[in-house]
Amino acid sequence: QSALTQPASVSGSPGQSIAISCTGTSSDVGGYNYVSWYQQHPGKAPKLMIYDVSNRPSGVSNRFSGSKSGNTASLTISGLQAEDEADYYCSSYASSSTIFGGGTKLTVL
Amino acid sequence: EVQLVESGGGLVQPGGSLRLSCAASGFTFSSYWMHWVRQAPGKGLIWVSRINGDGSSTSYADSVKGRFTISRDNAKNTLYLQMNSLRAEDTAVYYCARGSAYSYGSFDYWGQGTLVTVSS
Repeated sequence: QSALTQPASVSGSPGQSIAISCTGTSSDVGGYNYVSWYQQHPGKAPKLMIYDVSNRPSGVSNRFSGSKSGNTASLTISGLQAEDEADYYCSSYASSSTIFGGGTKLTVL
Repeated sequence: EVQLVESGGGLVQPGGSLRLSCAASGFTFSSYWMHWVRQAPGKGLIWVSRINGDGSSTSYADSVKGRFTISRDNAKNTLYLQMNSLRAEDTAVYYCARGSAYSYGSFDYWGQGTLVTVSS
């Protein structure tokens, strides 16, 4: 199965909001409400930020939110902060496997 | 505190084998699906394999099917990945990750990763 499609990069200024899209197919993103988002700082392990499309794990800031429409999911980060600069990956359950997106580099200007 | 610690990575020649381990602590290991995810240098995350709590069900990415075997020893709280017939394209950091108890398909804890380099 092909990777989910994410923009290679997005940027925003501190305090602004940004959105990262994640496009799949009816066999993955569109077929299940099992989309997750991960944050990865350089040299570090990924960290779960959103699961099941829009749920935040305990300890994750409410500045992070998720949504889905059809075959496209989105991660929105509001009130951008310098520490949000990282790579972000979406993933979706897909019939006994998990598919990741190609990743999006977020730059905080 | 949940901890996942991978080991066993290193340099191996094409066609060679390697076994990765992931020592788990801080949770009831046998109650969780466990996964391996890899990341080639400078590239994105790729799901590799998964195994259920008692080891009776496994799945693999097409790219590793027939070459890699996932297993677990619940008495030792340890996850394994046996990698055979290694290729240059298997070069990556390999992470073990715990499947979330609340979501089918998300990974709520990750290890720090172990680097596997396949080169002659």
